[in-house]
Amino acid sequence: GIQVEQSPPDLILQEGANSTLRCNFSDSVNNLQWFHQNPWGQLINLFYIPSGTKQNGRLSATTVATERYSLLYISSSQTTDSGVYFCAVWYSSASKIIFGSGTRLSIRP
Amino acid sequence: DAGVTQSPTHLIKTRGQQVTLRCSPKSGHDTVSWYQQALGQGPQFIFQYYEEEERQRGNFPDRFSGHQYPNYSSELNVNALLLGDSALYLCASSQSNYEQYFGPGTRLTVT
Repeated sequence: GIQVEQSPPDLILQEGANSTLRCNFSDSVNNLQWFHQNPWGQLINLFYIPSGTKQNGRLSATTVATERYSLLYISSSQTTDSGVYFCAVWYSSASKIIFGSGTRLSIRP
Repeated sequence: DAGVTQSPTHLIKTRGQQVTLRCSPKSGHDTVSWYQQALGQGPQFIFQYYEEEERQRGNFPDRFSGHQYPNYSSELNVNALLLGDSALYLCASSQSNYEQYFGPGTRLTVT
């Protein structure tokens, strides 16, 4: 069936470290977004990236639609980067939006 | 420019009751989607409204229904509440099926 898988499920890093989060999807997609969910539950937009590469400060993302994966890179991690990172995929074939189960990132000072 | 707003922030209901949650989209957006997020899980897509019609629907029972008004604001109604309906309910708005922006959510507790 249609799936969105994120890895790793949990990641603990020291402040200043770099990290790569992965999102695999099982079918061709129209849209893909990355979000950061803060401790209060607010989903914050990071990237809208159905294909290609984008950068915003210390964060960047790459989606390779033909190989069905997307990567989120966080460089020089800060404690404020802690939280859960989700990718969400819009599948036109199924007419639905599917979220991955998330990567919980903890940055230690 | 106000972002997506939702009301109420928190709500406590009893099993069997009915609840209505409200969402106002970001200015310029015409599409509203609703999600349910249980503790420790990713958001689950409930349905999407566009031009006052339900356009897509996830795997949720008919107890979950919605409405979109001409000003694009939307409501989510849940009938015959179950304990398992306790969750964070998120509303997102977008211009058609493009980038979604989320509201702060409504935390529903069913006792």
